[in-house]
Amino acid sequence: DAGVIQSPRHEVTEMGQEVTLRCKPISGHDYLFWYRQTMMRGLELLIYFNNNVPIDDSGMPEDRFSAKMPNASFSTLKIQPSEPRDSAVYFCASTPSGQGPEAFFGQGTRLTVV
Amino acid sequence: AQSVSQHNHHVILSEAASLELGCNYSYGGTVNLFWYVQYPGQHLQLLLKYFSGDPLVKGIKGFEAEFIKSKFSFNLRKPSVQWSDTAEYFCAVTNYGGATNKLIFGTGTLLAVQP
Repeated sequence: DAGVIQSPRHEVTEMGQEVTLRCKPISGHDYLFWYRQTMMRGLELLIYFNNNVPIDDSGMPEDRFSAKMPNASFSTLKIQPSEPRDSAVYFCASTPSGQGPEAFFGQGTRLTVV
Repeated sequence: AQSVSQHNHHVILSEAASLELGCNYSYGGTVNLFWYVQYPGQHLQLLLKYFSGDPLVKGIKGFEAEFIKSKFSFNLRKPSVQWSDTAEYFCAVTNYGGATNKLIFGTGTLLAVQP
């Protein structure tokens, strides 16, 4: 398996534009997590899914953020409209079910909103 | 609610010095505990984990961590650091046996090892 795949790796966009980040989890993993990493706040959990169903979205900062998982092999995180304070690295991770599962992370998407 | 605290935000050591990074968690149930490492420009990778058994866990690259249930702690240690250990280290917790498997990270500790 190629691991967790995120796209794009880098995204530069203007304030007010819509941004869509994509993630392909490892095949067979039941859980998918979206995290945001900034210097100020560290690694924040935004939302996570179990078997394509959103379980906890309490970390989503505002209504401008939304996430979907239409099937087991694909998830999106959308920001509309984007703002400069959304600039961060966004990571996707997946884990299997079971005891003490290791989370496998994608390479991340570095988002810059100007 | 689950939470993880890492008290050292930035640590600077010389090569061969010993390392201990603190991690405390808040959760009322049985937990799984992890340490992840993020090398510059890379994604997070698992260093070690604890979910049951011996509370002293050994991981890759000479790292180890000790789970002390009474102190809600899971500190990371290495007897002698190398320049290549320069990275950011994250402690994480998830509940064991629960249906949610929510994985929460601490804010991270940036380690700089000077040659």
